[in-house]
Amino acid sequence: QSALTQPASVSGSPGQSITISCTGSSGDVGGYNYVSWYQQHPGKAPKLMISDVTNRASGVSNRFSASKSGNTASLTISGLQAEDEADYYCSSYTISDTYVFGTGTKVTVL
Amino acid sequence: QVQLQQWGAGLLKPSETLSLTCPVYGGSVSDSYWIWIRQPPDKGLEWIGEISPSGTTKYSPSLESRVTISGDTSKNQLSLKLSSVTAADTAVYYCARGTLRTNDYWGQGVPVTVSS
Repeated sequence: QSALTQPASVSGSPGQSITISCTGSSGDVGGYNYVSWYQQHPGKAPKLMISDVTNRASGVSNRFSASKSGNTASLTISGLQAEDEADYYCSSYTISDTYVFGTGTKVTVL
Repeated sequence: QVQLQQWGAGLLKPSETLSLTCPVYGGSVSDSYWIWIRQPPDKGLEWIGEISPSGTTKYSPSLESRVTISGDTSKNQLSLKLSSVTAADTAVYYCARGTLRTNDYWGQGVPVTVSS
């Protein structure tokens, strides 16, 4: 099972919006509405931000939103803040009844 | 409030078996799904597998031949065993409540190093 493809890095200035893509196939992202997004700060455990493509986890700011089109899912962070600087990973359920993570994206707030 | 207490660091030699536990406080290991995730140094996350409340397991195809996830209701803890380890198994190992699709509580992670 190959990892889902994410850009290695995305950057933006405070207040701006950025979007992170997550590309898979019809056997994972495109075939199921079970895409999740995680935020991970250095040295910390991952934190679930979004589940089932669009559902924000409890306590997650509404500055975080997500969507899916075909085999590509996207996470948008609006009103970028310094605290958003972290690594972000997508994940998806797969046709093999397993799960796979994306390659990860480092978000830098300029 | 559920707490997953992971502690200690592991040092293993190649070919040995990795054995980790994840005690559950404030909840019952038999009431939820649980997952194990790992992250090699400076690399991305990898889903290892999950166990259901009934004890049904799913594993990553790349690890399936070497991994066992189990729940011990008497000690209220999760267990992960990975046999025949190599340097490629060096990683921080996390346990969490839920599935990768949706989860809430995570352990703080425990580093495991495989080196001769």
